[in-house]
Amino acid sequence: SSELTQDPAVSVALGQTVRITCQGDSLRNYYASWYQQTPGQAPVLVFYGKNNRPSGIPDRFSGSSSGNTASLTITGAQAEDEADYYCCFRDSSGDHVVFGGGTKLTVL
Amino acid sequence: QVHLQESGPGLVRPSETLSLTCIVSGSFISNGYYWGWIRQPPGKGLEWIGSIYLSGNTFYNPSLRGRVTISVDTSKNQFSLNLKSVTAADTAVYYCVRDGFPGDPFNWFDPWGQGTRVTVSS
Repeated sequence: SSELTQDPAVSVALGQTVRITCQGDSLRNYYASWYQQTPGQAPVLVFYGKNNRPSGIPDRFSGSSSGNTASLTITGAQAEDEADYYCCFRDSSGDHVVFGGGTKLTVL
Repeated sequence: QVHLQESGPGLVRPSETLSLTCIVSGSFISNGYYWGWIRQPPGKGLEWIGSIYLSGNTFYNPSLRGRVTISVDTSKNQFSLNLKSVTAADTAVYYCVRDGFPGDPFNWFDPWGQGTRVTVSS
């Protein structure tokens, strides 16, 4: 199956660590990419590949993968991290791209 | 710094063709990347529409294949989306993106345009 499953909502206390997960059989062989979207704004790439963080993204954002699950970890969550987060799968053929349903992160 | 800007009508009538253009600045469109379109219906998640290379090679979402055409104009440093026979289900914010394929790693889209809202209604 090419579907990606994300928890609809996750919360974290300010300054604590949170893991946002993305499950799918496709992820056993490919790395996910992760996007942050704040209300009314375009998504922003925050992590991709095995260990790639775009320029300008704080190092509190990190990614990992195990089996059929990809994870985005925010270490020391800040108020500005409150957003929707989407994972994305793509296979090596290039023409198979799937996004997860998104996780709404609330920073308490 | 690469910047993408979408343009096109905000209202399209049912059964007609949705046409959008993305102007790329800060980079030549012929620099080895694919360029793509992603959309987001109101209150919903993201859906990849398709991507194009400067050679004209394209990838399309199977769910939209047959209705969608993406083209590129390297002389104007822009690429375009045409989606025909639209219905209310095509109402969404449409984003243009630089597509990381076929790099290593290849699964990424960055940057994104600010998005343009398109409503399908009579």
